Amino acid sequence: EDKVVQSPLSLVVHEGDTVTLNCSYEVTNFRSLLWYKQEKKAPTFLFMLTSSGIEKKSGRLSSILDKKELFSILNITATQTGDSAVYLCAVEAVKYGNKLVFGAGTILRVKS
Amino acid sequence: NAGVTQTPKFQVLKTGQSMTLQCAQDMNHEYMSWYRQDPGMGLRLIHYSVGAGITDQGEVPNGYNVSRSTTEDFPLRLLSAAPSQTSVYFCASSLQGDGDTQYFGPGTRLTVL
Repeated sequence: EDKVVQSPLSLVVHEGDTVTLNCSYEVTNFRSLLWYKQEKKAPTFLFMLTSSGIEKKSGRLSSILDKKELFSILNITATQTGDSAVYLCAVEAVKYGNKLVFGAGTILRVKS
Repeated sequence: NAGVTQTPKFQVLKTGQSMTLQCAQDMNHEYMSWYRQDPGMGLRLIHYSVGAGITDQGEVPNGYNVSRSTTEDFPLRLLSAAPSQTSVYFCASSLQGDGDTQYFGPGTRLTVL
């Protein structure tokens, strides 16, 4: 059974801290891994990763995939209160018409 | 473009009632899908469609029906609501089913008493 596990489930940090969110997966016919940010509404896309070892970067956020060890990390540096959200990891597997299998999410709260 | 729209935003049902959650997109996307989001469980795929007239089951299809008579609309029907269907429902669409181009609707919060 396809499975995506995120850790930690939640964390609280102070502004300026750096955080690392983890995502491990077990899926057949892996196609890509995606990160989304969800702030009390619909998820918004952050990154899509398909190749190992190639870092994707957008401002203070970056992510990397390890297809051998079957995990990905999402780093956020110099966190701000606006980073407070649920971060979702999803794997695109060629099982349900290339649809997404989601992890439970990591709840991040950044305190000022 | 309005993107992906969902109605209603909130709904309360009694056990056994039926209802339809509406989803529409104006981006001419072929792929549409329905997810439910429960605390601690992330989003789970209910049903999906790869084009008008074609639907298929996802991970948790029991208790739900869908149809896709047009490219724009993808309604989700609950025939006999149960408390276990209390959840937040998201509709999503994409041009070709690729995860990075998947657009999510604002969600419908459903409570079944």
